Amino acid sequence: NAGVTQTPKFRILKIGQSMTLQCTQDMNHNYMYWYRQDPGMGLKLIYYSVGAGITDKGEVPNGYNVSRSTTEDFPLRLELAAPSQTSVYFCASSPSGSSWDEQYFGPGTRLTVT
Amino acid sequence: GQQVMQIPQYQHVQEGEDFTTYCNSSTTLSNIQWYKQRPGGHPVFLIQLVKSGEVKKQKRLTFQFGEAKKNSSLHITATQTTDVGTYFCAGQIWSNYQLIWGAGTKLIIKP
Repeated sequence: NAGVTQTPKFRILKIGQSMTLQCTQDMNHNYMYWYRQDPGMGLKLIYYSVGAGITDKGEVPNGYNVSRSTTEDFPLRLELAAPSQTSVYFCASSPSGSSWDEQYFGPGTRLTVT
Repeated sequence: GQQVMQIPQYQHVQEGEDFTTYCNSSTTLSNIQWYKQRPGGHPVFLIQLVKSGEVKKQKRLTFQFGEAKKNSSLHITATQTTDVGTYFCAGQIWSNYQLIWGAGTKLIIKP
């Protein structure tokens, strides 16, 4: 199993550009999450999904969109990139969202907006 | 909103010294998880605590969950260079899918 994979690893965007961060998991997990981690900070939840076709906002959803058409994939879309979106983005998955499940993280995408 | 405060932000220790990080929640948690993130890496799950007053050990690491299920700690005995990284707590509230993350404590080994 590859676990959770993310592409790209690094990206530099100009202000106003758009991009999609890809996330795929091969563990058949129902729950998937997108976090951002600013330097020296903890993780903030952007969006999450409890299954294909179902998504919901987290703590910091503004400026982002997601979709979940399959169990495996959970892409994150940035529209009109802003410098405030410079961060490291982590995708994670868990079998369910219950109290008993750990989250498995991808390697992250380091995004710089200039 | 709900918050999990984690202190200290950094801890510098000599190799062989102990390390402790503390988490406090503004609300009662259903469980708390601990993760480790190596420099340049991603968070990796260490352990989960569920019961009030629970204590779990993993070799030199001791994890505690408070009686009121609002605080938790991680203690590392006799730190080694392999312990370097940032340790995060993440609490979960009943009926909520989201983990509430502490800001992390960075363990730095002095040369």
